[in-house]
Amino acid sequence: NAGVTQTPKFQVLKTGQSMTLQCAQDMNHEYMSWYRQDPGMGLRLIHYSVGAGITDQGEVPNGYNVSRSTTEDFPLRLLSAAPSQTSVYFCASTKTQGTYNEQFFGPGTRLTVL
Amino acid sequence: GQQVMQIPQYQHVQEGEDFTTYCNSSTTLSNIQWYKQRPGGHPVFLIQLVKSGEVKKQKRLTFQFGEAKKNSSLHITATQTTDVGTYFCAGPWGTDKLIFGTGTRLQVFP
Repeated sequence: NAGVTQTPKFQVLKTGQSMTLQCAQDMNHEYMSWYRQDPGMGLRLIHYSVGAGITDQGEVPNGYNVSRSTTEDFPLRLLSAAPSQTSVYFCASTKTQGTYNEQFFGPGTRLTVL
Repeated sequence: GQQVMQIPQYQHVQEGEDFTTYCNSSTTLSNIQWYKQRPGGHPVFLIQLVKSGEVKKQKRLTFQFGEAKKNSSLHITATQTTDVGTYFCAGPWGTDKLIFGTGTRLQVFP
């Protein structure tokens, strides 16, 4: 199993450009989420999905869109990049068994917006 | 809104010293999880605690969930350089979401 994969690893954008961060998992987890991590800060939830076709907003959803057409893939779209979106983006999928939950994180995408 | 705070924010220790990070929630949690993130890496799940007063050990790491289920701690005995990283607690937020604490960054000097 590859676990959670993210592409690209690094990206530089100009203000106003759009792009899609890719995330895929091969563990058949229903629950997936996107976080951003700013220097010296914790992880803030952007969007999440509890299954194919179902998405919802987290703490900081503005400026981002998501869709979940398959269980495996959960792309994050930046509509019009701004310098405030410079961050490291992590995708995660969650293994759930009853009350047990364990999040598996991808390696991250380091995004710089100029 | 719900908040999860961790203290200290940052700690230096000499190798061999003990280390503790504390996690405090503004609301009662059904469970709490702990993650470790090495410098430049991604968070990795360590453990989940569910029961009030629960204590779990993983080698030199001891995790505790408070009786009121609003706080938790992670204690590392005799730190090693391999313990370097940021430790995060995380608790459920609403039905489906997870909220992460602010993290404690541990630096270990040989």
